[in-house]
Amino acid sequence: EVQLVESGGGLVQPGGSLRLSCGASGFTFTDYWMSWIRQAPGKGLEWVANIKQDGSEKYYVDSVKGRFTISRDNAENSLYLQMNSLSPGDTAMYYCARDRPDYGDTSDYWGQGALVTVSS
Amino acid sequence: DIQMTQSPSTLSASVGDRVTITCRASQSISGWLAWYQQKPGKAPKLLIYKTSSLESGVPSRFSGSGSGTEFTLTISCLQPDDFATYYCQQYSSYSEYSFGRGTKLEIK
Repeated sequence: EVQLVESGGGLVQPGGSLRLSCGASGFTFTDYWMSWIRQAPGKGLEWVANIKQDGSEKYYVDSVKGRFTISRDNAENSLYLQMNSLSPGDTAMYYCARDRPDYGDTSDYWGQGALVTVSS
Repeated sequence: DIQMTQSPSTLSASVGDRVTITCRASQSISGWLAWYQQKPGKAPKLLIYKTSSLESGVPSRFSGSGSGTEFTLTISCLQPDDFATYYCQQYSSYSEYSFGRGTKLEIK
């Protein structure tokens, strides 16, 4: 059974940092691009970042470029999102997702999310 | 950046109705369009990928169509479980995925 479990969310002050983790199981992690997608309270979905199977390619939405870093540890079947210089606009539920290669790399499995709240 | 314009933002319908949600891309996305369903407090669920391919386990009353920049999700006979929020997503380039703003499907 495919499982994605996010951790590391919480309350952080503006300007602070947080690192999200996503543990993957039930599939061959190294076969998949992986993504982070977020959803502000009561709002729609926003793609944040993705990373290639070997970590050699990484892409970000403009609003987080230079502040967020996506990474992965294939030996640990884990995906990460390092978030720096956080602002209240980054408050959201953050989902990690698996991108299905035979679907063209859209997200077929999602975790249940980690809530990040940026507030003083 | 590729913008996805989804309409309507809210749709009221009854059980048994046929409904259509539309998504328009700001440029051609070569059919790389997915549809998701999201219920309150839950992660999104993939319904349709590559414009019209039905995800495994998704009921056949869901269908997708379109080409170029215009895409639609149709639910042929609404069931009570279908009342939720629906999102389109374009994934034509690894460097810039994007979602529509969502359509909330409500019971009339």
